[in-house]
Amino acid sequence: GNSVTQMEGPVTLSEEAFLTINCTYTATGYPSLFWYVQYPGEGLQLLLKATKADDKGSNKGFEATYRKETTSFHLEKGSVQVSDSAVYFCALITSGTYKYIFGTGTRLKVLA
Amino acid sequence: DSGVTQTPKHLITATGQRVTLRCSPRSGDLSVYWYQQSLDQGLQFLIQYYNGEERAKGNILERFSAQQFPDLHSELNLSSLELGDSALYFCASSAEGQEVNEKLFFGSGTQLSVL
Repeated sequence: GNSVTQMEGPVTLSEEAFLTINCTYTATGYPSLFWYVQYPGEGLQLLLKATKADDKGSNKGFEATYRKETTSFHLEKGSVQVSDSAVYFCALITSGTYKYIFGTGTRLKVLA
Repeated sequence: DSGVTQTPKHLITATGQRVTLRCSPRSGDLSVYWYQQSLDQGLQFLIQYYNGEERAKGNILERFSAQQFPDLHSELNLSSLELGDSALYFCASSAEGQEVNEKLFFGSGTQLSVL
């Protein structure tokens, strides 16, 4: 079945550091890929998405590129802020399955 | 504010009991999803409804059941509760539930503690 694997956290960075959170997937067909973010005490909210190979999703300084050859969708940000501290979830959905599959989440902690 | 409302926010109960979690989707959304979030297993998909009908099933235990009513709100019933059922239960909604471009809108969750 379809699955998403994320790097384990927590990831602790200093403010203005470069961020990479790895995400790889296994899927039949051609999935759409997403990153969701969960701030403390809140539900998940969509951060960015990409629906086909080589697409780049971007939002709030975060980027991720859909790499079909490596089945990856790594999240990056050039300069993190304390306010980026949250749990980040990689997710996928394939047409006809109706199931959004989420990774286990990666907690990011940014220190001032 | 995502527009998805979950009640109650917190629920404390004892083993063997039964509880009902409620979700009101975003206005106009036809599809409702239920997820369980625990520390050791991340976000697990339980079940999805679309316009009152069950559409997809995930890792939902037989002790758990759900339904979506004609006004599109949904309830998740958890019975014969065990300590391991303690988790954060999220409801999410989407417009149609069948388009791969669709985003999910999540509620803020119900924290269930089974003592």
